[in-house]
Amino acid sequence: EPEVTQTPSHQVTQMGQEVILRCVPISNHLYFYWYRQILGQKVEFLVSFYNNEISEKSEIFDDQFSVERPDGSNFTLKIRSTKLEDSAMYFCASSGDRGYEQYFGPGTRLTVT
Amino acid sequence: QKEVEQDPGPLSVPEGAIVSLNCTYSNSAFQYFMWYRQYSRKGPELLMYTYSSGNKEDGRFTAQVDKSSKYISLFIRDSQPSDSATYLCAIRRVQGAQKLVFGQGTRLTINP
Repeated sequence: EPEVTQTPSHQVTQMGQEVILRCVPISNHLYFYWYRQILGQKVEFLVSFYNNEISEKSEIFDDQFSVERPDGSNFTLKIRSTKLEDSAMYFCASSGDRGYEQYFGPGTRLTVT
Repeated sequence: QKEVEQDPGPLSVPEGAIVSLNCTYSNSAFQYFMWYRQYSRKGPELLMYTYSSGNKEDGRFTAQVDKSSKYISLFIRDSQPSDSATYLCAIRRVQGAQKLVFGQGTRLTINP
């Protein structure tokens, strides 16, 4: 069964460093998303991406964040200068042409020290 | 008022019991309703989604939507210890923004 994959599973970085989180969505999907979940809190929407551009972004997704689909299979989230409060699980998700069902990857745990 | 409210629990029931998990939402613009299961430190796994009011059944799981009350439920019949997880409701609008808005999640434990 097709699934969303994410790498790395765990990333430790120092405050102020740049990180890139990588995702391979399900191959025939058209819509891509990033969510995050701070420990013990809700899953929160960050950004959606369709047709090579951002469809929607939340207030969390400020100028420090960017997304890219560099080729036909990968979808990346870059955090330019990490802060302590960026420590969270980051989930990539994708959905097909109807856009309703979103399938999530296993997540990348980001720890900023 | 929060967009989606879900009792975080924890909820603990004996094996074989019927489990009822619930969420309320505030905005009638939300038209699509999902239930996800999340094991500790894993990604949310889509269990069911529904659009219309009424019931939708899939094996031991039944999703119920009451749009007039803005109330959604997930029932688990013949609960198993492997059902122990956090259950998340998620809702979205039909048109426009495609983001999912999640509830807090209810932590469920099924005791053998």
